[in-house]
Amino acid sequence: NAGVMQNPRHLVRRRGQEARLRCSPMKGHSHVYWYRQLPEEGLKFMVYLQKENIIDESGMPKERFSAEFPKEGPSILRIQQVVRGDSAAYFCAGSEGQNTEAFFGQGTRLTVV
Amino acid sequence: DAKTTQPNSMESNEEEPVHLPCNHSTISGTDYIHWYRQLPSQGPEYVIHGLTSNVNNRMASLAIAEDRKSSTLILHRATLRDAAVYYCILRDNGASGTYKYIFGTGTRLKVLA
Repeated sequence: NAGVMQNPRHLVRRRGQEARLRCSPMKGHSHVYWYRQLPEEGLKFMVYLQKENIIDESGMPKERFSAEFPKEGPSILRIQQVVRGDSAAYFCAGSEGQNTEAFFGQGTRLTVV
Repeated sequence: DAKTTQPNSMESNEEEPVHLPCNHSTISGTDYIHWYRQLPSQGPEYVIHGLTSNVNNRMASLAIAEDRKSSTLILHRATLRDAAVYYCILRDNGASGTYKYIFGTGTRLKVLA
């Protein structure tokens, strides 16, 4: 996990607010994956991005969720108008290439109150 | 998406070897077999991966059946720090243009002192 930075580690939002989760992969890693994990469940794929491009967003909810990975800066997972069901741990992973191993961050634990 | 089947839980005594099995009968020719583990409240940690041949690294060994329909992760000497959920994952071969990991429910390994 060393090198993949996610912040904040913990985020509390009231219903209806926006949540922004940031992920900085290791240097040289231009591929980013986002996953969501509900308590006592496995990780569910959300989106796969490569610098400035969304490659696969098949796991993203159709509304309120968006992701980006700009040329400069971290990848951002944005959740608008959060609801209690969005409470979960969100993990990102970075990899150097399409078929090289991915390294995960420590996650952001989102709590919606 | 190719699926894997793992036992829900296993126990091992400290300092003894552990063999964690995984069945993946629908594996395709270019799917890589990846293993990750997740310690409590942490992100998944890369353990090992392979395609056809057995693989060894400092953390573990991966034994892959000749027909590739199953594999076994081997921890040579379990320690208390190895207690985690172990995920066996078939990496999407990119036929759809993506290389996302599909996590199953994994095997929860308990190590007894």
